[in-house]
Amino acid sequence: AQSVAQPEDQVNVAEGNPLTVKCTYSVSGNPYLFWYVQYPNRGLQFLLKYITGDNLVKGSYGFEAEFNKSQTSFHLKKPSALVSDSALYFCAVRYSSASKIIFGSGTRLSIRP
Amino acid sequence: GAVVSQHPSWVICKSGTSVKIECRSLDFQATTMFWYRQFPKQSLMLMATSNEGSKATYEQGVEKDKFLINHASLTLSTLTVTSAHPEDSSFYICSARKPGTGPTYEQYFGPGTRLTVT
Repeated sequence: AQSVAQPEDQVNVAEGNPLTVKCTYSVSGNPYLFWYVQYPNRGLQFLLKYITGDNLVKGSYGFEAEFNKSQTSFHLKKPSALVSDSALYFCAVRYSSASKIIFGSGTRLSIRP
Repeated sequence: GAVVSQHPSWVICKSGTSVKIECRSLDFQATTMFWYRQFPKQSLMLMATSNEGSKATYEQGVEKDKFLINHASLTLSTLTVTSAHPEDSSFYICSARKPGTGPTYEQYFGPGTRLTVT
């Protein structure tokens, strides 16, 4: 079945430290992978996407993600966390141009000063 | 990026009444819009896909007679929750597909509408 998993409900990082939010996807054709961020009582904001090409994708607010086909992962990373990065992060996958997007369960990122 | 708005941002209604939520794409025409529901501390669940000028496609388990979707123009889709009950209380989020972006199309999300049914 097509799915995406975020194994961590919460990630806690000290400000200034690197952060990683994990995401894995099920193998079913060629995936289009996305990361979104949601602030309290707000909709989702697009961060970045992987379609094809370079495995390292750079996105908004200094975030980047690495597509790893052998590990079926698409982890979100940032070299130096900011308190303002604290939010709910969703990984998402779509397997064809017409299929619906499937969201992971979300990971709450908390950056302590 | 493209802008999608929702109105109202929050609404409280009494049980048994109906409430309409609007989703607008402000700077592009969207032939396809999506409606999601999000429960506290949970992910987004797709309710239906709305196509301009045709009937919406509902996901399994979503009552089409309860959640009426109308996509009458290329910039507006509405979700009407009919005969609302407290269990319909949730955060409803719409998104719009930006055309012309090919198979790698992006979805732009509205800010969400919090519905509370008393």
